[in-house]
Amino acid sequence: GQNIDQPTEMTATEGAIVQINCTYQTSGFNGLFWYQQHAGEAPTFLSYNVLDGLEEKGRFSSFLSRSKGYSYLLLKELQMKDSASYLCAVSSNDYKLSFGAGTTVTVRA
Amino acid sequence: IAGITQAPTSQILAAGRRMTLRCTQDMRHNAMYWYRQDLGLGLRLIHYSNTAGTTGKGEVPDGYSVSRANTDDFPLTLASAVPSQTSVYFCASSDGAGGSDTQYFGPGTRLTVL
Repeated sequence: GQNIDQPTEMTATEGAIVQINCTYQTSGFNGLFWYQQHAGEAPTFLSYNVLDGLEEKGRFSSFLSRSKGYSYLLLKELQMKDSASYLCAVSSNDYKLSFGAGTTVTVRA
Repeated sequence: IAGITQAPTSQILAAGRRMTLRCTQDMRHNAMYWYRQDLGLGLRLIHYSNTAGTTGKGEVPDGYSVSRANTDDFPLTLASAVPSQTSVYFCASSDGAGGSDTQYFGPGTRLTVL
């Protein structure tokens, strides 16, 4: 089976930076996705990485190292609206997504 | 653009009853998926369809069935509900079924089986 690990919870202060790590062991690799999910809502797409390196999108950046089976999502200049769960998902050999359990980020004033 | 709609929003169901969760997308996406989300376990794939007329089993298919008669609709049926099927169910779709195709999620159905 697939194994995707990420921390359960993180807390940070408004305006700060938070880094959410994700490690994975999967049958093959066809890319890694990050989704944001606010409480009671649907997951929404944040980023996709398939090559090693950093992808930047405004306040959010995502990094991938395929050799280490590792990714992180970096949230900069945190805002209260960033309080949500962040889901790491890997596309493996069968092109289906396997999700981690999610990291709940709480932003405090 | 509605994207993906799901019905009902929530449902309380007696064990043993049959239930169909509806999912419709208007993006003309080829692939559709059903997931369940349980606390501490993340999203788990139940069934999928790479294109109209085809379906496949995901990680947790037992007790569920699907059909894909056309591009837009992908209903999920619980033939005889059990309490362990209490969960939040999300339908998703993607343009293709490849590894780089982004999946877009519906608003979810919260199902409670008593």
